[in-house]
Amino acid sequence: NAGVMQNPRHLVRRRGQEARLRCSPMKGHSHVYWYRQLPEEGLKFMVYLQKENIIDESGMPKERFSAEFPKEGPSILRIQQVVRGDSAAYFCASSPAYGGGYNEQFFGPGTRLTVL
Amino acid sequence: DQQVKQNSPSLSVQEGRISILNCDYTNSMFDYFLWYKKYPAEGPTFLISISSIKDKNEDGRFTVFLNKSAKHLSLHIVPSQPGDSAVYFCAASGYGGSQGNLIFGKGTKLSVKP
Repeated sequence: NAGVMQNPRHLVRRRGQEARLRCSPMKGHSHVYWYRQLPEEGLKFMVYLQKENIIDESGMPKERFSAEFPKEGPSILRIQQVVRGDSAAYFCASSPAYGGGYNEQFFGPGTRLTVL
Repeated sequence: DQQVKQNSPSLSVQEGRISILNCDYTNSMFDYFLWYKKYPAEGPTFLISISSIKDKNEDGRFTVFLNKSAKHLSLHIVPSQPGDSAVYFCAASGYGGSQGNLIFGKGTKLSVKP
């Protein structure tokens, strides 16, 4: 009964490189969310996806960041040309399809990105 | 502008006593509130939630109270145990119709001393 899986757990990149973060939702969950946590801060929403669709990307920076959740395979958060300010913990969460009510989101262990 | 505020960065209580963690929000459109617990180097773990049609929800040692007129909620843990030591985040959703978007507070670090 695996929970939300994220890999890698730790990622080190030099400025200008690309970072790819992967998230596999819990079995049976079709909604994926990405959040970013800076030191001493709460989690900040980035993007909400369903299979092959971006539902809400209001928290995504306008440049360098993109996300996808293909029909097959994990969700990917991609950061191009990373800068030191991108260093943070990135958390993925998943939830089942809405059944007319509210559903809590279940979080993965996070990917800690360090940009040198 | 923070829409969800946890004004106490830390709280220390004795084992067996009650822990009360507080959270205030500014947006009256929020209609669902959640508490998450987080250990270092791990993801947040869902604890308990409450919808705006209720004023109390209880699950074992955890009770969440919601005061809509004051835009305030609190999490009570009774009795507190050393294993409860963690950072607790309050979160809210419902704003703007995007029910997937959770707005988090900055967290309160709870220390339960034996």
